[in-house]
Amino acid sequence: SYVLTQPPSVSVAPGKTARLTCGGNDIRSKSVHWYQQKPGQAPVLVMYDDSDRPSGIPERFSGSNSGNTATLTINRVEAGDEADYYCQVWDLSSDHRGVFGGGTKLTVL
Amino acid sequence: QVQLQESGPGLVQPSETLSLTCTVSSDSISDYYWSWIRQAPGRGLEWIGYISYSGGTNYNPSLKSRLTLSLDTSKNQFSLKLTSVTAADTAVYYCTRGFTGFDPWGQGTLVTVSS
Repeated sequence: SYVLTQPPSVSVAPGKTARLTCGGNDIRSKSVHWYQQKPGQAPVLVMYDDSDRPSGIPERFSGSNSGNTATLTINRVEAGDEADYYCQVWDLSSDHRGVFGGGTKLTVL
Repeated sequence: QVQLQESGPGLVQPSETLSLTCTVSSDSISDYYWSWIRQAPGRGLEWIGYISYSGGTNYNPSLKSRLTLSLDTSKNQFSLKLTSVTAADTAVYYCTRGFTGFDPWGQGTLVTVSS
């Protein structure tokens, strides 16, 4: 089955840029979605189809997908961006299924 | 704006059946796919499965033998039944719209499997 790999943690100072990565074999061939989850809350879709922002998500959030790595970039990081971030794809291999990465904890220093 | 709300018992006995319902408001379940996702305490997200507007289903292979998803269009609800539960099924269960690119999500409901 398809595996998505995310670093467990990323730390960034306020005002700086955070780059959260999601690795997978030939992930560029898949549509990658990203979710933000704050403690005690349900996940929220912050990026879909690699680089499209849902309404209400700040322009500071952007996405890209190339080769074996998809990236969620957060510019001008704010304290309120501190959360767990999960990438997700639909695996069209032998068993069609949704696949999540293990998640990255973004800490704003 | 569409809203989803999970409901069901918060405590289930081992070997029994876990049953949850998701009520959808401000949207028709006949227009979309609907999914369930769970999160064990302190762990990441796990895709459970989806049901389409026509009742077609797709399940996580690791749960397939124990899982049934269904629709009730008259009540604008969809449901999950997971049989023969163990402590490993203890998790927050979320319902959400779509079969990928899930949005929006319900608030989630904690189900504990314990005697």
